[in-house]
Amino acid sequence: NAGVTQTPKFQVLKTGQSMTLQCAQDMNHEYMSWYRQDPGMGLRLIHYSVGAGITDQGEVPNGYNVSRSTTEDFPLRLLSAAPSQTSVYFCASSPRPLMNTEAFFGQGTRLTVV
Amino acid sequence: AQSVTQLGSHVSVSEGALVLLRCNYSSSVPPYLFWYVQYPNQGLQLLLKYTTGATLVKGINGFEAEFKKSETSFHLTKPSAHMSDAAEYFCAVSDRSNTGNQFYFGTGTSLTVIP
Repeated sequence: NAGVTQTPKFQVLKTGQSMTLQCAQDMNHEYMSWYRQDPGMGLRLIHYSVGAGITDQGEVPNGYNVSRSTTEDFPLRLLSAAPSQTSVYFCASSPRPLMNTEAFFGQGTRLTVV
Repeated sequence: AQSVTQLGSHVSVSEGALVLLRCNYSSSVPPYLFWYVQYPNQGLQLLLKYTTGATLVKGINGFEAEFKKSETSFHLTKPSAHMSDAAEYFCAVSDRSNTGNQFYFGTGTSLTVIP
């Protein structure tokens, strides 16, 4: 049972570099989202998608781009990495946009920007 | 927007003692309510949720939570703590409206269990 798969698990970037965090789910979920987790701040929503071709911004979207070309994949792009983007990133999916269902989380990507 | 408050960023209990983790939400219309657990270096997994019906909800690993509308609360309890309960716990809510499209998480409570 794969569920939500995130790659890579760890990444170190230099300031100004770009990269893509990958997220894939095999549960045919319509809703997918990206969060960042920082100490004392809980999880904050970066971007989300309610279906293929549809994305929207969350609470902290600046510096990140997303696209949703398929139901399965929802990559997160860092355009020009900054030390403030050092964080743990989680991808999550849910069966539908109506929010009475649980979110299924990936294992996380620990990103350090130096 | 919703807001979720978890009182106490760190809670320590002795093994076998009662666990009580507090969660309050802000909206006047009761949202859907969730508790998630995060073990070290892992993602979040659902402990339990309240959507409708009975206000006392039972979850995995012996945890339960009670929705109290008058107190806008959804506190998490477990009668007897086990060492394996040491983890980070997050309360989360989502809107009941059909246009609701995100979860709102509290800042988390780190539970330490003392042998």
